[in-house]
Amino acid sequence: GAVVSQHPSWVICKSGTSVKIECRSLDFQATTMFWYRQFPKQSLMLMATSNEGSKATYEQGVEKDKFLINHASLTLSTLTVTSAHPEDSSFYICSAREWGALGYGYTFGSGTRLTVV
Amino acid sequence: RKEVEQDPGPFNVPEGATVAFNCTYSNSASQSFFWYRQDCRKEPKLLMSVYSSGNEDGRFTAQLNRASQYISLLIRDSKLSDSATYLCAVNMKTSYDKVIFGPGTSLSVIP
Repeated sequence: GAVVSQHPSWVICKSGTSVKIECRSLDFQATTMFWYRQFPKQSLMLMATSNEGSKATYEQGVEKDKFLINHASLTLSTLTVTSAHPEDSSFYICSAREWGALGYGYTFGSGTRLTVV
Repeated sequence: RKEVEQDPGPFNVPEGATVAFNCTYSNSASQSFFWYRQDCRKEPKLLMSVYSSGNEDGRFTAQLNRASQYISLLIRDSKLSDSATYLCAVNMKTSYDKVIFGPGTSLSVIP
């Protein structure tokens, strides 16, 4: 089945630094990827939808200058958390849309646990 | 009103029990519906897509009611391994494609 590889699995960084998270679709082309954030005991909150070759669409309340999304190829989307602060500590998960025999589905990366100290 | 809402949990049921989860969505133009399960500190895994006619996969049955804008998930003969958080997801066709998740319902199956 479809596989989305997400790296790194976890990262600890100092406040004020930037962190880049990568998501790759390994055996299919993902024209659309989604980025979610999940705080403890809460659900996944959609941050943005990225389409290959165009600007991402951010959800209300998500700062596009802080969470930079690049989807330059059909198999790679990146999320960069710029000038990270402790409140950015969260579980970040990407998801790629792929077409199957019964229509489209969504495959998730394994997530990145970000801790900002 | 939230875009996707679910039964508040947690659900604690004995092994072998039947348990049902409900999920409602606000956007009547929504086109695709899914149930995911998420284990603690892991990514969500697709459990089932939900089709208009309803669908069954072993002990799991999903139903869609477009008129009332809700989907349901029924788990029969609960196993200990079914303990997880169950998330419903709705693909909302707005000006762009986006998938919104409900808050999740926690299930604990106890011996």
